[in-house]
Amino acid sequence: DSGVTQTPKHLITATGQRVTLRCSPRSGDLSVYWYQQSLDQGLQFLIQYYNGEERAKGNILERFSAQQFPDLHSELNLSSLELGDSALYFCASSVSTGSQETQYFGPGTRLLVL
Amino acid sequence: DAKTTQPPSMDCAEGRAANLPCNHSTISGNEYVYWYRQIHSQGPQYIIHGLKNNETNEMASLIITEDRKSSTLILPHATLRDTAVYYCIVKGNTDKLIFGTGTRLQVFP
Repeated sequence: DSGVTQTPKHLITATGQRVTLRCSPRSGDLSVYWYQQSLDQGLQFLIQYYNGEERAKGNILERFSAQQFPDLHSELNLSSLELGDSALYFCASSVSTGSQETQYFGPGTRLLVL
Repeated sequence: DAKTTQPPSMDCAEGRAANLPCNHSTISGNEYVYWYRQIHSQGPQYIIHGLKNNETNEMASLIITEDRKSSTLILPHATLRDTAVYYCIVKGNTDKLIFGTGTRLQVFP
């Protein structure tokens, strides 16, 4: 158990819908990361927040957005869902930022768009 | 961040040491080598990381060559539960982890 929690575990929805994925980082961790794992793209970095502020963006679609709240939990919002958005979404957290900061991953949310 | 190259798959007998190689010939001086593994579709699990020196923890050992262009993750006594995809990642100034395709390790009885 990494200490990172994600809800829900599974999510089934229809195309065009909007969903929110939630992540609670490990106690004391200020940085939160979101990753997407699909069959054809592998594990890809989406976005990072540090202490409530966006710090880095990766291959995140404009239909996707995220935020980190004062209590440091984070939410990833996916809108206008398409079939290709079906994937595993992982959240990770680390104490701070920098090359020596280890990221610990949550169990993921499996999203299926029908 | 430097790119890494790993063999796509490896086999290992249960109880034997599993040695997983990784090439990172373009690594820079301030970049760390990280190893994660992913069992089935679970979240990636941190194993170990290092900069220059060899490192050991309760899960594994990491051997980094003197020129830092390659490294080896060693699982000293592999068990069936070590069957997973192992990712070698070079992490530099950017915080994001760049996952390649990894090595699929199959431990057999």
